[in-house]
Amino acid sequence: AQSVTQPDIHITVSEGASLELRCNYSYGATPYLFWYVQSPGQGLQLLLKYFSGDTLVQGIKGFEAEFKRSQSSFNLRKPSVHWSDAAEYFCAVGAGNAGNMLTFGGGTRLMVKP
Amino acid sequence: DARVTQTPRHKVTEMGQEVTMRCQPILGHNTVFWYRQTMMQGLELLAYFRNRAPLDDSGMPKDRFSAEMPDATLATLKIQPSEPRDSAVYFCASGLVAGERGYTFGSGTRLTVV
Repeated sequence: AQSVTQPDIHITVSEGASLELRCNYSYGATPYLFWYVQSPGQGLQLLLKYFSGDTLVQGIKGFEAEFKRSQSSFNLRKPSVHWSDAAEYFCAVGAGNAGNMLTFGGGTRLMVKP
Repeated sequence: DARVTQTPRHKVTEMGQEVTMRCQPILGHNTVFWYRQTMMQGLELLAYFRNRAPLDDSGMPKDRFSAEMPDATLATLKIQPSEPRDSAVYFCASGLVAGERGYTFGSGTRLTVV
């Protein structure tokens, strides 16, 4: 069965600073990987996804993520954080042989200091 | 933008009462998921459907939960009888086969059982 670990429960960065959120997955084959963002009281919004091809994927809101098979990681990055990026971020893995159901990590709550 | 619509947004009910949550997936999407989100457990997959057929509902307590798709425009999640431990936010998500475009989440139903 697939699993996802997000090692950082909370992260605080200053506005304008760079950001990296970590995600490690466990899955026997090439996974489908996703990052979602959730603002308070809202549903989850898809930031970006990886299925195949270029291991560096670009998403919305200036985010990018890099798939590293050797490290079983799919870390999310942003070069300059804005106050509006404060939210909870979820990494998810989808497995082709399980009907593409998504397994989510525990989430990382991002706080942005002015 | 196409949206997944969930009703009601909020529900407060007494223990033992029946609760029905509804989801209207995006038109044309053939895969529907139900997730539950709590502080303690994070996002848990309860059930999912492909072309209205249930593929996996192993995450649901079978004695009290049931999920159905009476037609392609409506998915329901029912709890009978409800218990305080069912208090959570319930999300519906929809997408296409293989999920290459990711899945779109609704805004959720916040259920409180007192």
